[in-house]
Amino acid sequence: DGGITQSPKYLFRKEGQNVTLSCEQNLNHDAMYWYRQDPGQGLRLIYYSQIVNDFQKGDIAEGYSVSREKKESFPLTVTSAQKNPTAFYLCASTLDRASNQPQHFGDGTRLSIL
Amino acid sequence: GDSVTQMEGPVTLSEEAFLTINCTYTATGYPSLFWYVQYPGEGLQLLLKATKADDKGSNKGFEATYRKETTSFHLEKGSVQVSDSAVYFCALRRETSGSRLTFGEGTQLTVNP
Repeated sequence: DGGITQSPKYLFRKEGQNVTLSCEQNLNHDAMYWYRQDPGQGLRLIYYSQIVNDFQKGDIAEGYSVSREKKESFPLTVTSAQKNPTAFYLCASTLDRASNQPQHFGDGTRLSIL
Repeated sequence: GDSVTQMEGPVTLSEEAFLTINCTYTATGYPSLFWYVQYPGEGLQLLLKATKADDKGSNKGFEATYRKETTSFHLEKGSVQVSDSAVYFCALRRETSGSRLTFGEGTQLTVNP
């Protein structure tokens, strides 16, 4: 079945360490997104990519980095500069930027600090 | 900028009760509106959508009508079930923002048997 796969489901980070969250989709979607979810704050957009080899900052990009070398993959790196990384991270995709199709979501990665 | 405001939660109901979760928005132009549902430990799933004024989205007994005059998209269900317990998110997509979504804070719904 087509869908979005996020891994790992749970991730722990030590102080000063960078960690990378994986997001893979086999829906042949052009656009991909990373959101951060904190209790009571809804979803906030970190980065998004409308096409391969291109991405834009969202509303809370500081302390994060991304790459989009392949259409199906959009990994997110949480760097040591992100001082409060504990959250639930969700990856999403949609057909293309002009489409009115809904975003499809993965099952998320929960990141915690050791 | 764009914003979505949902009624404060959590909401606790008994099975078969009527559900309303309020959602209002601020955006220029004519955004598309969505309701997503998140079950525990999972990602979000699209519940329903409406793309223009007076459209009614419906799915699994849930309904919401796009009201431009009141900038609202309230979610309703006539008879909730225990399996409806989840977090519900209202979201908008402005036509000039590509496919970016702006989400509300989410409303936790618990349905007791």
